[in-house]
Amino acid sequence: AQTVTQSQPEMSVQEAETVTLSCTYDTSESDYYLFWYKQPPSRQMILVIRQEAYKQQNATENRFSVNFQKAAKSFSLKISDSQLGDAAMYFCASGGSNYKLTFGKGTLLTVNP
Amino acid sequence: DADVTQTPRNRITKTGKRIMLECSQTKGHDRMYWYRQDPGLGLRLIYYSFDVKDINKGEISDGYSVSRQAQAKFSLSLESAIPNQTALYFCATGKALPGEETQYFGPGTRLLVL
Repeated sequence: AQTVTQSQPEMSVQEAETVTLSCTYDTSESDYYLFWYKQPPSRQMILVIRQEAYKQQNATENRFSVNFQKAAKSFSLKISDSQLGDAAMYFCASGGSNYKLTFGKGTLLTVNP
Repeated sequence: DADVTQTPRNRITKTGKRIMLECSQTKGHDRMYWYRQDPGLGLRLIYYSFDVKDINKGEISDGYSVSRQAQAKFSLSLESAIPNQTALYFCATGKALPGEETQYFGPGTRLLVL
């Protein structure tokens, strides 16, 4: 079984600043994948970034990057140069060979102008 | 056009009524999923299907049933709706290939059971 924990129910950041959202996970699988999804007020679930556990290099997508610490089972999301459009609920998720995703409870990010 | 569509987008129903939520996809994916989202609980898996002849229960399948009418269509039914089934429901799809664990979500259906 997999579990995903997001310990920060809410976070806030000033526009143009950097913020890091935390996520820890637990899995019995040796080959697994990690994801961050964004849910803006439109409620659409949007893939932000994904990380293959076998890759040591941290994934990056423009202003979004992850800090993947495999031994610590930690997968944090860093948002640089925060923009108003980054305001959303962010979900961390893990998936493995069974093609099912387990989601955390989410972190609500507020971006202050 | 959206790759994954859900109908209806919003629905209000009464306790005891039967209701069906529909999902269609043009992505050509074999895997389809139904989740529900409740405030503070994240997304939880209700049912999933890896092809037309394959249906599997998720972690919270009680009170729900599904039908995979075709590769592109996956419907979720509430046989007798109850108020605690009020939630946001998402359909998702994915490829049935190793290394393709990413899931792609529809826009969601907000259901209110009175």
